[in-house]
Amino acid sequence: ETTLTQSPAFMSATPGDKVIISCKASQDIDDDLNWYQQKPGEAAIFIIQEATTLVPGVPPRFSGSGSGTDFTLTIADIESDDAAYYFCLQHDNFPLTFGGGTNVEIK
Amino acid sequence: QLQLQESGPGLVKPSETLSLTCSVSGGSIRNNNYYWGWIRQSPGKGLEWVGSTFYSGSSFHNPSLKSRVTVSGDTSKNQFSLKLSSVTAADTAVYYCVRLKGSDNYTKIPSLYYMDVWGKGTTVTVSS
Repeated sequence: ETTLTQSPAFMSATPGDKVIISCKASQDIDDDLNWYQQKPGEAAIFIIQEATTLVPGVPPRFSGSGSGTDFTLTIADIESDDAAYYFCLQHDNFPLTFGGGTNVEIK
Repeated sequence: QLQLQESGPGLVKPSETLSLTCSVSGGSIRNNNYYWGWIRQSPGKGLEWVGSTFYSGSSFHNPSLKSRVTVSGDTSKNQFSLKLSSVTAADTAVYYCVRLKGSDNYTKIPSLYYMDVWGKGTTVTVSS
C-alpha cells in the first residue's frame, strides 16, 4: 500500500500569495496522483488529474506538478474563496490511498 | 449536472450493520464508463477508500475492511448502497458517496478508477 505524506497540515495565506502544498509518495506512482478541494458541508471538488492536468472549469491559478514520488499543488495569486481543505489521492496501485490533507486559511 | 446524495441512519450500535444509500440525479448509474463507490473520513484515520461497484455487479473493497463491506447498485432506483457489518467505534466517520472514472489518456483497470464527483457526506456514529 502506498503512503502519501502531505505537508504542511495547515497554512495561513494572504490574498495574492502563492501557496505550495506537497504530497510525497512512499513508492514510485508515475503521474497517478490527483488533487481535490473540500469546503465544510460541501461536496469535494476534483481540481487536478494525473499530477498536472487541470480539470475543466477549475480556475487556472491552480496547477500541479511532479511525477514519481514528489508532487506539488500550487495556487498562484490565492483568493479568499480558496480557503479549504486540500488533499491528494494516488491511483497507481491498489488500494487507492489519500494524503493527510492541508487546511488552507486566508487571512 | 450529476449530483450524489447520501442517506441512512446517523447512529448504529456496535456489532450491527451500517447501511447507507446514495441517490444519483442528473445521470444514470447504468453507464459503462463509471464505477460508484464510498469514501469515509474520520479524525483518526483521515480519508479512506471503502469500496466501489459497477452497476451490474462487479465490485471491490478495501482489504483493510476484510469482508465486512458490500457495495451494490440498484438501477431501478438509480441508487447504490453500502453495507458494513460488525461495526465498531472505529467505523465512526463521515461517509461520502462518489463516482469513479478511468483515465482519459490510457486504459485503467477498474480497481484503480478514481473519484471525479462527490456527495456532501453523511455522519455515522457507532455507539450503544
